Amino acid sequence: AQSVTQPDIHITVSEGASLELRCNYSYGATPYLFWYVQSPGQGLQLLLKYFSGDTLVQGIKGFEAEFKRSQSSFNLRKPSVHWSDAAEYFCAVGAETSYDKVIFGPGTSLSVIP
Amino acid sequence: KAGVTQTPRYLIKTRGQQVTLSCSPISGHRSVSWYQQTPGQGLQFLFEYFSETQRNKGNFPGRFSGRQFSNSRSEMNVSTLELGDSALYLCASWAGETQYFGPGTRLLVL
Repeated sequence: AQSVTQPDIHITVSEGASLELRCNYSYGATPYLFWYVQSPGQGLQLLLKYFSGDTLVQGIKGFEAEFKRSQSSFNLRKPSVHWSDAAEYFCAVGAETSYDKVIFGPGTSLSVIP
Repeated sequence: KAGVTQTPRYLIKTRGQQVTLSCSPISGHRSVSWYQQTPGQGLQFLFEYFSETQRNKGNFPGRFSGRQFSNSRSEMNVSTLELGDSALYLCASWAGETQYFGPGTRLLVL
């Protein structure tokens, strides 16, 4: 069965520091992988997705994620965090045949210190 | 271009009642999906519609149903409401590989 774990419930970083949010998935076939961000002012938003091809995926707002099949991971990174990045981040995995039937991780809450 | 709209934004119902939520996708988008978000269960996929056909359904009881109209607008219905149905219900529409979410309908069941 599909599952997604996000080991960090809450992370605090200083503005300008780099960020890495961890995501591990369990899925028997080739997964579709997603990162979403949810903030009070912006609602839920798709940051980036991996379907196939290049394992380093670029998204919106300066985020990127790397798919590592051997580690069943899809970690999200940003080189320099802005205060506006404070939000809840969700990793999700979907089936190759239907990318919309996704399983979401529990989320990581990000706080940014000015 | 208008975004995904959901109505109503807030709703209070009592146990046993039924509720219908509406979602209007971005113009031209034919795929609409629904999600439920609760503090206890997190985000969960409900169902997805494309061109008036349900393509996928999440692991929810039959009390949860939906439909899509020819103009791509979608409705979801929950019958015989339970306290645990209190949640934020989100819908999203896809165009190609980009997904857009609505602001959600917050349902409170008393």
